[in-house]
Amino acid sequence: AQKVTQAQTEISVVEKEDVTLDCVYETRDTTYYLFWYKQPPSGELVFLIRRNSFDEQNEISGRYSWNFQKSTSSFNFTITASQVVDSAVYFCALSEGSSGGSYIPTFGRGTSLIVHP
Amino acid sequence: EPEVTQTPSHQVTQMGQEVILRCVPISNHLYFYWYRQILGQKVEFLVSFYNNEISEKSEIFDDQFSVERPDGSNFTLKIRSTKLEDSAMYFCASRPGYSNQPQHFGDGTRLSIL
Repeated sequence: AQKVTQAQTEISVVEKEDVTLDCVYETRDTTYYLFWYKQPPSGELVFLIRRNSFDEQNEISGRYSWNFQKSTSSFNFTITASQVVDSAVYFCALSEGSSGGSYIPTFGRGTSLIVHP
Repeated sequence: EPEVTQTPSHQVTQMGQEVILRCVPISNHLYFYWYRQILGQKVEFLVSFYNNEISEKSEIFDDQFSVERPDGSNFTLKIRSTKLEDSAMYFCASRPGYSNQPQHFGDGTRLSIL
């Protein structure tokens, strides 16, 4: 069974601070996929990144970076120089490669990030 | 860029009524999904649909729920005899048929049961 834990319920930072959102996952599959989604106050889900279990390279996209470590089953997300527009709920998700063709992700409970001006 | 479109954005319904939530997936996608998110909680899987039939469903997706793809473009979620606890955001998603491409989510329909 797959499980995603986002232990941080809410994080509050001041603009320009760096912030890291933690994600720890559990799976018995050797093939799996990890995702991060952003949910701004308007409610939609915005896809940020997908990572497969065979690719442990960290990734950077502008102010966003992701640190995937299989040894600790973690897929953490860092926002550098945070901005007020980064205020949102961020969800980490996991889908197992053996789920047939459905690849249904299991979501964590989300971390609410509040960036103060 | 193609999008998953959901209508309406907000639906208010009296308890006990039936409601139909509509989704237009991305045109060349083959897998379709519905998810539910109760306010302040995580996104929960309801059902997946492939080749004109349900491929997987969660415990939440009981007899009160049904899905349909009535034509080549729409994908609907019907909730019969709505209850207060059905109030939530409902997301439709779709993805291509190859590999594990990420699901593309619609903007959601906020369902409020009075």
